Amino acid sequence: GQNIDQPTEMTATEGAIVQINCTYQTSGFNGLFWYQQHAGEAPTFLSYNVLDGLEEKGRFSSFLSRSKGYSYLLLKELQMKDSASYLCAVGDRGSTLGRLYFGRGTQLTVWP
Amino acid sequence: DTAVSQTPKYLVTQMGNDKSIKCEQNLGHDTMYWYKQDSKKFLKIMFSYNNKELIINETVPNRFSPKSPDKAHLNLHINSLELGDSAVYFCASRREGQGPGELFFGEGSRLTVL
Repeated sequence: GQNIDQPTEMTATEGAIVQINCTYQTSGFNGLFWYQQHAGEAPTFLSYNVLDGLEEKGRFSSFLSRSKGYSYLLLKELQMKDSASYLCAVGDRGSTLGRLYFGRGTQLTVWP
Repeated sequence: DTAVSQTPKYLVTQMGNDKSIKCEQNLGHDTMYWYKQDSKKFLKIMFSYNNKELIINETVPNRFSPKSPDKAHLNLHINSLELGDSAVYFCASRREGQGPGELFFGEGSRLTVL
């Protein structure tokens, strides 16, 4: 089966740094994705890791350790607009048969 | 131009009714999906189609019948609606073979069954 765990909720203040962790156990692995979802909107793609290490994209960075089944999303210089749900997702294979399995999301609230 | 669009955005209906949701993507992607997001925000795959062919059916009740008339469209018909079908249904598309293959989601169709 597929098991993807992430904290349910986190809070932080504007300008701070927050790290959202994700652990996974899946039957196959073809990359780890992070998505952002604002309330009432569609999930939007943030980042992708398929090799171990850190990928940086502006204020957002994502890290992967395949041996530990672990990833994190790092958000720097938090802004109010970063309040959203952050979804960790794992692709199980790189073909048309591939599925993307999502965690339940971490609801981040940024306070002024 | 909206990349993945779905209609309607909201559906309120009675138990036992039949309803359809339509999805279109103008990204030229070959693979399209239906995902269901329940009240606890858990996003779960239901179906995928590649070039009009059903690829994944993730043990969804046969009251749910997807149809893909062409690779840019994927519709979802639901018969005999039940209370537990209340959720947000997201259509998504994906490019195969280039880049990470991330999903592009539509805005969602919120179904409420009374």
